[in-house]
Amino acid sequence: EAQVTQNPRYLITVTGKKLTVTCSQNMNHEYMSWYRQDPGLGLRQIYYSMNVEVTDKGDVPEGYKVSRKEKRNFPLILESPSPNQTSLYFCASSLKGSTNLYQETQYFGPGTRLLVL
Amino acid sequence: DAKTTQPPSMDCAEGRAANLPCNHSTISGNEYVYWYRQIHSQGPQYIIHGLKNNETNEMASLIITEDRKSSTLILPHATLRDTAVYYCIVRVARYNQGGKLIFGQGTELSVKP
Repeated sequence: EAQVTQNPRYLITVTGKKLTVTCSQNMNHEYMSWYRQDPGLGLRQIYYSMNVEVTDKGDVPEGYKVSRKEKRNFPLILESPSPNQTSLYFCASSLKGSTNLYQETQYFGPGTRLLVL
Repeated sequence: DAKTTQPPSMDCAEGRAANLPCNHSTISGNEYVYWYRQIHSQGPQYIIHGLKNNETNEMASLIITEDRKSSTLILPHATLRDTAVYYCIVRVARYNQGGKLIFGQGTELSVKP
């Protein structure tokens, strides 16, 4: 089954304790990205990657890192989490179209709910 | 990317058609209209997209006005499982700027028995 998986699904942590949220897709997609969703602010893009070893900042990258060492995986790293990073996080992926335009359909993971105390 | 305007909420009776409107009066000629939905904090789910012509798939139909300034998503026979927030998104398919989707506030559709 084609899917995007995220782990963990729920996480409670304390300020300053490094954590990683994993994202994996089995559709051989080139494009992957991370969003966070907060009440009243909607979904906002954190980072994205157009292919292996190619990453770039989205709209709200502060406090986050990412890496893309393999095509299928795109982990989100919080080196020193703070309470303002408490949020619902989604990973998404899509194909890169043959005409150098991105495929329109993005597939989203189930979400990771993070609470930073 | 053009801004979209959607009603904040709508109700629909189970089994009836749900018609969700979206205004995008500043849309450009090369911008697509996409619809996604989010069921109760799950990951957003792609529904349908179009450029000029009306589109239909197994989930829904998309009707785009001739001037492209508005569109309507139609769920032909709404079920309780269609209760969700529906997002209308307008964007250009770009190469160098990634596939970022800009989600507005969407329309919260409640399907009632």
